[in-house]
Amino acid sequence: RKEVEQDPGPFNVPEGATVAFNCTYSNSASQSFFWYRQDCRKEPKLLMSVYSSGNEDGRFTAQLNRASQYISLLIRDSKLSDSATYLCVAYGANAGKSTFGDGTTLTVKP
Amino acid sequence: NAGVTQTPKFQVLKTGQSMTLQCAQDMNHNSMYWYRQDPGMGLRLIYYSASEGTTDKGEVPNGYNVSRLNKREFSLRLESAAPSQTSVYFCASTDTGELFFGEGSRLTVL
Repeated sequence: RKEVEQDPGPFNVPEGATVAFNCTYSNSASQSFFWYRQDCRKEPKLLMSVYSSGNEDGRFTAQLNRASQYISLLIRDSKLSDSATYLCVAYGANAGKSTFGDGTTLTVKP
Repeated sequence: NAGVTQTPKFQVLKTGQSMTLQCAQDMNHNSMYWYRQDPGMGLRLIYYSASEGTTDKGEVPNGYNVSRLNKREFSLRLESAAPSQTSVYFCASTDTGELFFGEGSRLTVL
């Protein structure tokens, strides 16, 4: 079993739709969690950190459930420019290791 | 604002040749990483260095060696390249779990 597992996708949604991505992690020692965005095999870029209390950045909302070892990302009012691959990451500060999920591809269509 | 710099950006090798991918960061980060990404897949950890002077194997270390030359630099060496090592290689660094990536090195082994 992979340490970090994501919905495989792909997700194809119309502009304006709300879409949710899910991610689970198996290492309970993981301490920090992040969502990254990757475009066309360029380097991943940080979208947002994920906090236990949940956090929002504009149209994006991230949630963390430590008991279930589950992370989510919600995108509201999807834009064409949101089309990308979204990567879930778990970081264990003790081990100093960051582990990625395989990513979920989103295509937003007009 | 250099951040993380990787060289070379592109390389074509013949099977059996050796080469070293260089990575340097100017953010005084303790942890550095090498990932590979194959088409349609997520990032897989090859090796990482949680601090200067230490290196650890990741998920796919076979066929690679690394050197944490100093706090700034973390190199990845392919001693005898194989076609299966054709991939995009990303170097990253962090102190908090938020990863900062280089632009990637696209390696083709013929």
